[in-house]
Amino acid sequence: EAQVTQNPRYLITVTGKKLTVTCSQNMNHEYMSWYRQDPGLGLRQIYYSMNVEVTDKGDVPEGYKVSRKEKRNFPLILESPSPNQTSLYFCASSPRVGAGGELFFGEGSRLTVL
Amino acid sequence: AQTVTQSQPEMSVQEAETVTLSCTYDTSESNYYLFWYKQPPSRQMILVIRQEAYKQQNATENRFSVNFQKAAKSFSLKISDSQLGDTAMYFCAFFLYGNKLVFGAGTILRVKS
Repeated sequence: EAQVTQNPRYLITVTGKKLTVTCSQNMNHEYMSWYRQDPGLGLRQIYYSMNVEVTDKGDVPEGYKVSRKEKRNFPLILESPSPNQTSLYFCASSPRVGAGGELFFGEGSRLTVL
Repeated sequence: AQTVTQSQPEMSVQEAETVTLSCTYDTSESNYYLFWYKQPPSRQMILVIRQEAYKQQNATENRFSVNFQKAAKSFSLKISDSQLGDTAMYFCAFFLYGNKLVFGAGTILRVKS
């Protein structure tokens, strides 16, 4: 089944404790991206990647890191989480780089930072 | 910077009726794409409909259609024969060549029986 898989789906952590949210897609998509969803703000892009070893900042990259060492994986790293990073996170991928192709979303990861 | 505005935070509609969700955007670009995504209570993001800016014809997908007014920078979603399963948060999104995707704040739609 074609899908984007995120883990963990739910996580409660404490300020400063490094964490990684994994994202994997099995559709051989070149484009992958991370978003955070906050009430009243919609989804905001954190980072995106057009291909392996190519990443770029979105609108809200502060406090996050990403890497794209393999085509299928695009982990989101929070080196020192803070309470303002409490949010719902989505990973997405698309087969058509730069052509407005449909985004396929993961099921979301609810992160709470205490 | 590109922005997307959804001016209706919440809307409700009776089952089988028609409802229109509004979306406006701001850009100086001429080539872009517009989307409506649906997010039901399960949180899954589901593509509803897609419009390419260079196409004048409005996109249609079954009960869902758009009214794309490029000059006015408006992209509204019409849902006909509303069903209980249409209850969800709806996001308008603007995609600019170069992979920058901008979402609106969303509209919660409640379909009442």
